[in-house]
Amino acid sequence: KNQVEQSPQSLIILEGKNCTLQCNYTVSPFSNLRWYKQDTGRGPVSLTIMTFSENTKSNGRYTATLDADTKQSSLHITASQLSDSASYICVVNGELARGNMLTFGGGTRLMVKP
Amino acid sequence: DTEVTQTPKHLVMGMTNKKSLKCEQHMGHRAMYWYKQKAKKPPELMFVYSYEKLSINESVPSRFSPECPNSSLLNLHLHALQPEDSALYLCASSQGQGGHTEAFFGQGTRLTVV
Repeated sequence: KNQVEQSPQSLIILEGKNCTLQCNYTVSPFSNLRWYKQDTGRGPVSLTIMTFSENTKSNGRYTATLDADTKQSSLHITASQLSDSASYICVVNGELARGNMLTFGGGTRLMVKP
Repeated sequence: DTEVTQTPKHLVMGMTNKKSLKCEQHMGHRAMYWYKQKAKKPPELMFVYSYEKLSINESVPSRFSPECPNSSLLNLHLHALQPEDSALYLCASSQGQGGHTEAFFGQGTRLTVV
């Protein structure tokens, strides 16, 4: 069964600190992995998308890593800001005959405190 | 324009009402999706339209009726809903239905069934 598991489920950090969110997946075959940021009651916004051959990708203060061998990804947030408070969702896409089948992780709820 | 626009943003309806959710994109995307998201849970796929034809129905109850009038518009018609249908309804679109394509999400419609 295709699954995406994220840890921790929730995280509280102080403004200015760094943090790392984890994502483990069992989706096969693998097409790509995306990290989304979702503010409460809003739609997810893409942060990064990584394919099988990519190990690291950065988007401003966000850096995602991917280890396709161990099927693990991480999202590192540097110098956190209050506006980083949101849910971060790891989404893995498996190439299937049905097409764009996205498997969502449960998300990590991040709260940045002043 | 990289936006997926959903209307209304909020909707309160009774169990005997008929209402519709609307989704619009002008990115030339040929695949459009409806997701349902309960609080603190990841989005769950409901329907996929590819080239204006329904390609995936994830066993959604018939009280939810999708419609794709043209390549830019996607509607979700609601009738005789139950309180447990209250959720955030997200629309998304992508270039195609292939797994390598980026999915863009709308801001969602917060639906409350009373």
